[in-house]
Amino acid sequence: DTAVSQTPKYLVTQMGNDKSIKCEQNLGHDTMYWYKQDSKKFLKIMFSYNNKELIINETVPNRFSPKSPDKAHLNLHINSLELGDSAVYFCASSQGAGAATDTQYFGPGTRLTVL
Amino acid sequence: AQSVTQLGSHVSVSEGALVLLRCNYSSSVPPYLFWYVQYPNQGLQLLLKYTSAATLVKGINGFEAEFKKSETSFHLTKPSAHMSDAAEYFCAVTSPFGANNLFFGTGTRLTVIP
Repeated sequence: DTAVSQTPKYLVTQMGNDKSIKCEQNLGHDTMYWYKQDSKKFLKIMFSYNNKELIINETVPNRFSPKSPDKAHLNLHINSLELGDSAVYFCASSQGAGAATDTQYFGPGTRLTVL
Repeated sequence: AQSVTQLGSHVSVSEGALVLLRCNYSSSVPPYLFWYVQYPNQGLQLLLKYTSAATLVKGINGFEAEFKKSETSFHLTKPSAHMSDAAEYFCAVTSPFGANNLFFGTGTRLTVIP
Protein backbone atom coordinates (compact mmCIF):
# COMPACT_ATOMS: atom_id res chain seq x y z
CA ASP A 1 0.00 0.00 0.00
CA THR A 2 1.27 3.43 -0.90
CA ALA A 3 2.07 5.48 2.19
CA VAL A 4 2.45 8.92 0.61
CA SER A 5 1.02 9.36 -2.86
CA GLN A 6 1.09 12.29 -5.25
CA THR A 7 -0.83 13.07 -8.39
CA PRO A 8 0.01 13.67 -11.09
CA LYS A 9 3.41 12.08 -11.53
CA TYR A 10 4.19 14.31 -14.49
CA LEU A 11 2.74 17.73 -15.27
CA VAL A 12 3.57 19.72 -18.40
CA THR A 13 1.97 23.13 -18.76
CA GLN A 14 2.37 26.57 -20.29
CA MET A 15 3.63 29.68 -18.59
CA GLY A 16 0.91 31.67 -16.90
CA ASN A 17 -1.32 28.70 -16.18
CA ASP A 18 -2.59 27.70 -12.74
CA LYS A 19 -2.07 24.12 -11.61
CA SER A 20 -2.45 21.94 -8.53
CA ILE A 21 -0.56 18.93 -7.26
CA LYS A 22 -2.32 16.61 -4.85
CA CYS A 23 -0.80 14.70 -1.94
CA GLU A 24 -2.36 12.09 0.28
CA GLN A 25 -0.89 10.07 3.14
CA ASN A 26 -2.46 7.00 4.72
CA LEU A 27 -0.04 6.79 7.64
CA GLY A 28 -2.18 8.72 10.08
CA HIS A 29 0.53 11.35 10.39
CA ASP A 30 -0.16 14.79 11.80
CA THR A 31 2.30 16.86 9.78
CA MET A 32 2.76 17.14 6.03
CA TYR A 33 5.36 18.98 3.93
CA TRP A 34 6.14 20.15 0.43
CA TYR A 35 9.69 20.21 -0.94
CA LYS A 36 11.06 21.49 -4.24
CA GLN A 37 13.97 19.70 -5.93
CA ASP A 38 15.61 21.74 -8.67
CA SER A 39 17.49 20.57 -11.74
CA LYS A 40 20.67 20.23 -9.69
CA LYS A 41 18.92 17.89 -7.25
CA PHE A 42 18.93 20.50 -4.48
CA LEU A 43 16.03 19.96 -2.09
CA LYS A 44 14.41 22.81 -0.23
CA ILE A 45 11.40 22.82 2.04
CA MET A 46 8.50 24.99 0.96
CA PHE A 47 5.71 24.41 3.46
CA SER A 48 4.55 22.19 6.24
CA TYR A 49 1.12 21.78 7.81
CA ASN A 50 0.24 20.43 11.22
CA ASN A 51 -3.42 19.77 11.97
CA LYS A 52 -4.48 22.22 9.28
CA GLU A 53 -2.22 24.95 10.53
CA LEU A 54 0.77 26.26 8.65
CA ILE A 55 3.81 25.91 10.87
CA ILE A 56 6.60 26.56 8.38
CA ASN A 57 6.40 28.95 5.49
CA GLU A 58 9.75 29.47 3.82
CA THR A 59 10.39 32.38 1.49
CA VAL A 60 8.50 31.06 -1.49
CA PRO A 61 6.53 33.24 -3.86
CA ASN A 62 2.94 33.82 -2.84
CA ARG A 63 1.94 32.24 -6.15
CA PHE A 64 2.39 28.99 -4.25
CA SER A 65 -0.34 28.14 -1.78
CA PRO A 66 -0.74 24.94 0.21
CA LYS A 67 -4.25 23.74 0.85
CA SER A 68 -5.12 21.08 3.40
CA PRO A 69 -8.74 19.91 3.35
CA ASP A 70 -8.01 17.39 6.09
CA LYS A 71 -5.13 15.82 7.98
CA ALA A 72 -4.45 13.26 5.29
CA HIS A 73 -4.16 15.70 2.40
CA LEU A 74 -1.90 18.62 1.56
CA ASN A 75 -2.33 19.97 -1.95
CA LEU A 76 -0.05 22.49 -3.60
CA HIS A 77 -1.64 25.13 -5.80
CA ILE A 78 0.50 27.26 -8.08
CA ASN A 79 -0.75 30.40 -9.81
CA SER A 80 0.73 32.08 -12.88
CA LEU A 81 3.36 29.43 -13.50
CA GLU A 82 6.84 30.59 -14.51
CA LEU A 83 9.70 28.80 -16.23
CA GLY A 84 11.64 28.74 -12.97
CA ASP A 85 8.93 26.70 -11.33
CA SER A 86 10.02 23.68 -13.34
CA ALA A 87 11.23 21.16 -10.79
CA VAL A 88 10.30 17.97 -8.99
CA TYR A 89 7.96 18.59 -6.08
CA PHE A 90 7.92 16.12 -3.22
CA CYS A 91 5.29 15.72 -0.58
CA ALA A 92 6.23 14.23 2.80
CA SER A 93 4.61 13.47 6.10
CA SER A 94 5.69 12.80 9.68
CA GLN A 95 4.07 11.60 12.85
CA GLY A 96 3.51 14.05 15.64
CA ALA A 97 3.67 17.80 15.68
CA GLY A 98 6.73 18.15 13.48
CA ALA A 99 9.50 17.65 16.02
CA ALA A 100 13.03 17.78 14.72
CA THR A 101 13.59 14.07 15.37
CA ASP A 102 10.52 12.91 13.46
CA THR A 103 11.22 10.84 10.38
CA GLN A 104 9.71 12.25 7.23
CA TYR A 105 8.20 9.87 4.69
CA PHE A 106 8.35 11.08 1.11
CA GLY A 107 6.06 10.62 -1.84
CA PRO A 108 7.34 9.64 -5.30
CA GLY A 109 7.45 13.21 -6.56
CA THR A 110 5.72 15.22 -9.26
CA ARG A 111 7.85 16.44 -12.15
CA LEU A 112 6.54 19.84 -13.24
CA THR A 113 7.68 21.22 -16.59
CA VAL A 114 6.70 24.75 -17.52
CA LEU A 115 7.04 25.59 -21.22
CA ALA B 1 21.42 28.42 11.02
CA GLN B 2 22.11 24.86 10.01
CA SER B 3 23.63 23.54 6.81
CA VAL B 4 25.38 20.46 5.47
CA THR B 5 28.06 20.04 2.84
CA GLN B 6 28.47 16.85 0.90
CA LEU B 7 31.92 16.42 -0.59
CA GLY B 8 31.84 14.77 -3.96
CA SER B 9 28.79 14.99 -6.16
CA HIS B 10 29.69 11.65 -7.72
CA VAL B 11 31.30 8.60 -6.14
CA SER B 12 32.08 5.37 -7.96
CA VAL B 13 32.99 2.13 -6.23
CA SER B 14 33.42 -1.44 -7.35
CA GLU B 15 30.92 -4.02 -6.22
CA GLY B 16 32.11 -5.40 -2.89
CA ALA B 17 34.23 -2.36 -2.08
CA LEU B 18 33.80 0.03 0.83
CA VAL B 19 31.30 2.85 0.38
CA LEU B 20 32.18 6.19 2.00
CA LEU B 21 29.97 9.22 1.43
CA ARG B 22 31.04 12.40 3.19
CA CYS B 23 28.88 14.91 5.01
CA ASN B 24 30.00 17.84 7.14
CA TYR B 25 27.57 20.00 9.05
CA SER B 26 27.48 23.53 10.29
CA SER B 27 25.31 24.32 13.25
CA SER B 28 25.37 26.69 16.19
CA VAL B 29 23.71 24.05 18.35
CA PRO B 30 24.06 20.26 18.49
CA PRO B 31 22.25 19.10 15.40
CA TYR B 32 20.09 16.18 14.43
CA LEU B 33 21.45 14.56 11.27
CA PHE B 34 19.88 12.34 8.66
CA TRP B 35 20.86 10.34 5.60
CA TYR B 36 18.25 9.78 2.92
CA VAL B 37 18.52 7.73 -0.28
CA GLN B 38 16.74 8.46 -3.54
CA TYR B 39 16.51 5.69 -6.11
CA PRO B 40 15.88 6.73 -9.73
CA ASN B 41 12.45 8.27 -10.24
CA GLN B 42 11.46 7.66 -6.64
CA GLY B 43 11.00 9.69 -3.48
CA LEU B 44 13.45 9.87 -0.61
CA GLN B 45 13.77 7.07 1.93
CA LEU B 46 15.36 7.43 5.34
CA LEU B 47 18.53 5.39 5.78
CA LEU B 48 19.39 6.45 9.32
CA LYS B 49 19.33 9.37 11.71
CA TYR B 50 21.34 10.75 14.61
CA THR B 51 19.32 12.29 17.42
CA SER B 52 21.99 12.72 20.13
CA ALA B 53 21.94 9.16 21.41
CA ALA B 54 24.67 6.77 20.27
CA THR B 55 27.22 8.41 17.98
CA LEU B 56 27.45 5.34 15.75
CA VAL B 57 24.12 4.91 14.04
CA LYS B 58 23.13 1.82 12.14
CA GLY B 59 20.59 2.08 9.37
CA ILE B 60 18.89 -0.02 6.77
CA ASN B 61 20.59 -1.99 3.99
CA GLY B 62 23.84 -2.33 5.94
CA PHE B 63 24.63 1.38 6.09
CA GLU B 64 25.93 3.16 9.15
CA ALA B 65 27.17 6.63 10.03
CA GLU B 66 29.21 8.06 12.85
CA PHE B 67 28.62 11.46 14.39
CA LYS B 68 31.95 13.14 15.11
CA LYS B 69 31.52 16.45 16.86
CA SER B 70 35.24 17.29 16.73
CA GLU B 71 35.19 16.95 12.96
CA THR B 72 31.61 18.21 12.47
CA SER B 73 31.08 15.18 10.30
CA PHE B 74 28.45 12.51 9.75
CA HIS B 75 29.92 10.30 7.03
CA LEU B 76 27.93 7.37 5.65
CA THR B 77 29.63 4.01 5.19
CA LYS B 78 28.89 0.50 4.05
CA PRO B 79 31.53 -2.24 4.16
CA SER B 80 30.62 -3.88 0.86
CA ALA B 81 28.81 -2.16 -2.00
CA HIS B 82 26.03 -3.91 -3.83
CA MET B 83 24.71 -3.08 -7.27
CA SER B 84 21.38 -2.15 -5.69
CA ASP B 85 23.08 0.64 -3.70
CA ALA B 86 23.40 2.78 -6.82
CA ALA B 87 21.34 5.87 -6.04
CA GLU B 88 21.49 9.49 -4.92
CA TYR B 89 22.28 10.03 -1.25
CA PHE B 90 21.35 13.13 0.70
CA CYS B 91 22.60 14.28 4.06
CA ALA B 92 20.25 16.58 6.01
CA VAL B 93 20.23 18.49 9.28
CA THR B 94 17.66 19.95 11.63
CA SER B 95 17.93 21.84 14.87
CA PRO B 96 16.70 20.44 18.19
CA PHE B 97 15.22 23.84 18.92
CA GLY B 98 13.21 24.43 15.83
CA ALA B 99 10.48 22.86 13.81
CA ASN B 100 11.21 19.82 11.68
CA ASN B 101 12.79 21.86 8.92
CA LEU B 102 15.19 19.59 7.05
CA PHE B 103 18.12 21.34 5.38
CA PHE B 104 19.53 19.07 2.70
CA GLY B 105 22.97 18.83 1.15
CA THR B 106 23.38 18.82 -2.59
CA GLY B 107 23.50 15.06 -2.80
CA THR B 108 26.06 12.43 -3.85
CA ARG B 109 25.38 10.09 -6.71
CA LEU B 110 26.77 6.63 -6.00
CA THR B 111 27.68 4.42 -8.93
CA VAL B 112 28.53 0.76 -8.32
CA ILE B 113 30.74 -0.85 -10.93
CA PRO B 114 30.29 -4.58 -11.46
